[in-house]
Parts: sequence; structure tokens; C-alpha cells
Amino acid sequence: QVQLGESGGGVVQPGTSLRLSCVVSGFIFKNYAMHWVRQAPGKGLEWVALIWNDGTKISYADSVKGRFKISRDSPQNTLYLEMNDLRDDDTAIYYCARDAGGSSPDYWGHGTLIAVSS
Amino acid sequence: VVMTQSPLSLTVTLGQPASISCRSSQSLEYEGSDYLTWLHQRPGQSPRRLIYKVSHRDSGVPDRFSGSGSGTDFTLTINRVEAEDVGVYYCLQGRHWPLTFGPGTKVVI
Repeated sequence: QVQLGESGGGVVQPGTSLRLSCVVSGFIFKNYAMHWVRQAPGKGLEWVALIWNDGTKISYADSVKGRFKISRDSPQNTLYLEMNDLRDDDTAIYYCARDAGGSSPDYWGHGTLIAVSS
Repeated sequence: VVMTQSPLSLTVTLGQPASISCRSSQSLEYEGSDYLTWLHQRPGQSPRRLIYKVSHRDSGVPDRFSGSGSGTDFTLTINRVEAEDVGVYYCLQGRHWPLTFGPGTKVVI
């Protein structure tokens, strides 16, 4: 069955960097685009980034553009999110999700929590 | 693209119908399809996709859920609400990058 598992979360200080990973199984990773979506405590969902299956196209939310970088390692079935210059308002649960086509995420991981605090 | 939902909070009665509206600031149509997704999130859980391209229900989603609309106006309808339907419902537009979610509609019994 399709599974996605995020890791790399934790408590970090403002201005620092962190890299999240999302290991997937149960489907052919190289055939699917992938998303990162986040959810601040008690708030709604916020789309963060998308990478096409072959990595040729990437898009970011304005709130993270220039600070975050999405990438993928298809042989390792792993999606990454490199986050730099972290801010308090980056505090959130970060989910990875598979894109089923048409920029529509169908399967989601359980999320990993990032807390940015001094 | 700005996505709006109404209402933001909805109190429903078991067995009764319920509907949620989602509007986009730009048309979500592209080559004959509208790229509008509905997701449901129960407390403490990850989101679950219910419907894609306005009206296509995902496998395993009860047929009491249906989606309709086109262009900029969309609706999620629950035919007869069940207790497990509580939570927050989000619409998501996939037509324009960056993608954007609606603010969510919280459904309580």
C-alpha cells in the first residue's frame, strides 16, 4: 500500500536551517509529482512546494520562496525540503503528499513538527 | 489565487444534508477540466482527499459526498451527514501556481 513517512522535525532557533525527508513506498516514486504542505498549530493547511516527477518543474509558495528548496532522490524514494533562515511563523506540522495529477494531492504522510523558537 | 469558503463553521444534524461553498478569485478551468480538490481533516489526523477535478470521488469515499461547480464557484455536498463527517473541509485549487487552499470549514454535529 502507498505509504509516506516524514522525518527531520524538531525544535530549532530562528535563523537556522533544517532538512526534512519523506520516504515513500508502495508506488513508483519517479512517476509522481510531490508536494509539501504545512499546518501551523490550530490553523488551516498552507501549500508550500511542488516538484514534478522528473524534477524539471518546481513551484513554491511566496511565503517560503528563496528560503526553502524542494528536491527529490528517486533511486532512494525520498523527497526533501531544505529550509533556511527559519522564522517563528514557519512553526508547523509539515506533510508530504503525492500528487495524483492535476496538482491534486491524494496520499499524505503523518507529518513532522517543526517548532521555531528562541 | 485567493480561495474563499463559506460558511467557515457549520453545525449539522445527523441524517440531514449539508453543503460547503468554495470560490476562487480566478477561473480554475483548463482544457475542459476544473482543477478543484476537496479534502477532509479529522482532529489529529492527516488530510484525506475526497474529491478531485470538482466532482470525481476518490476510491473508498462514501457516495453521500458529491462535488459540483465550475469556473470560480464550487460546492461540496454531504447528502446525509454521519457522525464520522465531523472535522474541517478544505478546497484546494490546482490550476494556478502557487497552489492555494481555502481557509477551511469546520463541521460539527
